[in-house]
Amino acid sequence: AQKVTQAQTEISVVEKEDVTLDCVYETRDTTYYLFWYKQPPSGELVFLIRRNSFDEQNEISGRYSWNFQKSTSSFNFTITASQVVDSAVYFCALSEAENYGQNFVFGPGTRLSVLP
Amino acid sequence: KAGVTQTPRYLIKTRGQQVTLSCSPISGHRSVSWYQQTPGQGLQFLFEYFSETQRNKGNFPGRFSGRQFSNSRSEMNVSTLELGDSALYLCASSSGQAGQPQHFGDGTRLSIL
Repeated sequence: AQKVTQAQTEISVVEKEDVTLDCVYETRDTTYYLFWYKQPPSGELVFLIRRNSFDEQNEISGRYSWNFQKSTSSFNFTITASQVVDSAVYFCALSEAENYGQNFVFGPGTRLSVLP
Repeated sequence: KAGVTQTPRYLIKTRGQQVTLSCSPISGHRSVSWYQQTPGQGLQFLFEYFSETQRNKGNFPGRFSGRQFSNSRSEMNVSTLELGDSALYLCASSSGQAGQPQHFGDGTRLSIL
């Protein structure tokens, strides 16, 4: 069965600090996809990134970077020089290719508060 | 490109009533998924529709049902509402292919009195 764990329930940082959000997943499939979503107070989940299980290359997009390590089943998300606008709940999600269709399993989310 | 549109944004109902929520996906997307989000249970998958057929189903009682129309628009119905059904209901659309990201609407916040 697929499962996503985000051990950090809430994190508070001061603006310009770096912060890393942890994500650990469980799956028996060899082909799977990992995602990060951001949910600001408005409620809509915003897609940030997708990674497939065969691509362990880390990715950087502006202040955001992602570290995918299959050996530890982790897909961590780092925000560099955090800003107040980064305050939101962040969700990690897993989708298995063997599972016909779109059945995403989401982690419980990490609430990030960036204080000015 | 217009995003996923959910209506209504807010709903207040009483126990025992039924409710229908609507979702219009991104143009060209054939898959629509529904999720229930509550503070205690987080984001839980309800079901997914693809080309008017339910393709995946989560672990919810039969009171929760849905359908998809030929234009990919989807509706979700909840009958015999219970207090525990109070939640944010999110709709997401995608191409439906494995691994493709889902794009979410703003949600419908349902409150049961």
